[in-house]
Amino acid sequence: DQQVKQNSPSLSVQEGRISILNCDYTNSMFDYFLWYKKYPAEGPTFLISISSIKDKNEDGRFTVFLNKSAKHLSLHIVPSQPGDSAVYFCAASGWAGGTSYGKLTFGQGTILTVHP
Amino acid sequence: NAGVMQNPRHLVRRRGQEARLRCSPMKGHSHVYWYRQLPEEGLKFMVYLQKENIIDESGMPKERFSAEFPKEGPSILRIQQVVRGDSAAYFCASSPPGHPGEQFFGPGTRLTVL
Repeated sequence: DQQVKQNSPSLSVQEGRISILNCDYTNSMFDYFLWYKKYPAEGPTFLISISSIKDKNEDGRFTVFLNKSAKHLSLHIVPSQPGDSAVYFCAASGWAGGTSYGKLTFGQGTILTVHP
Repeated sequence: NAGVMQNPRHLVRRRGQEARLRCSPMKGHSHVYWYRQLPEEGLKFMVYLQKENIIDESGMPKERFSAEFPKEGPSILRIQQVVRGDSAAYFCASSPPGHPGEQFFGPGTRLTVL
């Protein structure tokens, strides 16, 4: 039962262009969403988060958009840089099915490659 | 300000042995979480602990796995009688009090079962 889905296993963009990573969720009890970046052999690094009371959150080159009616969120990276090449995971939490906010449910990840 | 520390970084065990994975949270963080990542998959939640308490263990396998976060010392994830299917990367995360959604991850322990 995949409650958080990242349907694109990989994405390739040119340096300087926009990268758009997408994530869908099925559980309407999720109300807090996060994006993490992960390099090989390292732990995930927190990037940006958004609560369900907002539809947009921005931090430098990173912007997360939330569409609650579509149960969809996206991460925009502008401009993309070669150092952004990594695996990106979206995650969700909330009082979903009686479990705690501490339980993050992750998508499968999207491999982003930014070409110079 | 040191981040989340995990040790060992790599652990090799033979089938039937025990594996002990340690996690020291960030300074000031009182909540610890364990996740497992199997090859080609995302991270899967295992357990959420506060000092001396298990808050949510809904992701823990019912047998062979246990976790603790004692009053003093690191959190320990213990896997008894390991099998090949336990081979994975095990990540620990911590969060400050009152903010369970804001989790910061350690570098992980890569367990290989021969």
